[in-house]
Amino acid sequence: AQSVSQHNHHVILSEAASLELGCNYSYGGTVNLFWYVQYPGQHLQLLLKYFSGDPLVKGIKGFEAEFIKSKFSFNLRKPSVQWSDTAEYFCAVNTGGFKTIFGAGTRLFVKA
Amino acid sequence: DSGVTQTPKHLITATGQRVTLRCSPRSGDLSVYWYQQSLDQGLQFLIQYYNGEERAKGNILERFSAQQFPDLHSELNLSSLELGDSALYFCASSRRVGGNEQFFGPGTRLTVL
Repeated sequence: AQSVSQHNHHVILSEAASLELGCNYSYGGTVNLFWYVQYPGQHLQLLLKYFSGDPLVKGIKGFEAEFIKSKFSFNLRKPSVQWSDTAEYFCAVNTGGFKTIFGAGTRLFVKA
Repeated sequence: DSGVTQTPKHLITATGQRVTLRCSPRSGDLSVYWYQQSLDQGLQFLIQYYNGEERAKGNILERFSAQQFPDLHSELNLSSLELGDSALYFCASSRRVGGNEQFFGPGTRLTVL
């Protein structure tokens, strides 16, 4: 069965530290990939998405993600986090069917 | 504001009761998705509708059901409620059946006492 793994459930960083959140999926075919963010008390919103083309995708608020097909990975990065980046981050994968599979989420806490 | 609306915002009810959660998708979106988010289970996909038809099913209990109406709004019905059903229920919508991004509503927080 297709699955999405987010390796870190909780991450704590200081402001200005660099961030990398891992996401791996299990599917050998064409995929559409997403990162969503959920700020405290709010709904999920899209950070960035990859459908095709340049595997390095830039999203909102300085986030980027790199699709590495050979590693089945779509890791999220930000060079310098801010306190306002404190949120839960979800990786999601669609394999062309009806269902988009979400990872379990990574809770990021940024210390001011 | 994603354009997806959900009512009510909060719902408090007792075990054994039945509730209905309502979702209106973004204008022009034909797909509606329902998710349950709880602290212990994370974000769980429940069910998806596209233009009135059920298209995908996830971890939805038999006590739960949903439908999408001709005007594309959707309702999630939860019956014989248990304490463990307390959670945030999100609705999301998208333009097409699958593959593209989903726009999430603000959620309904259900508390079962």
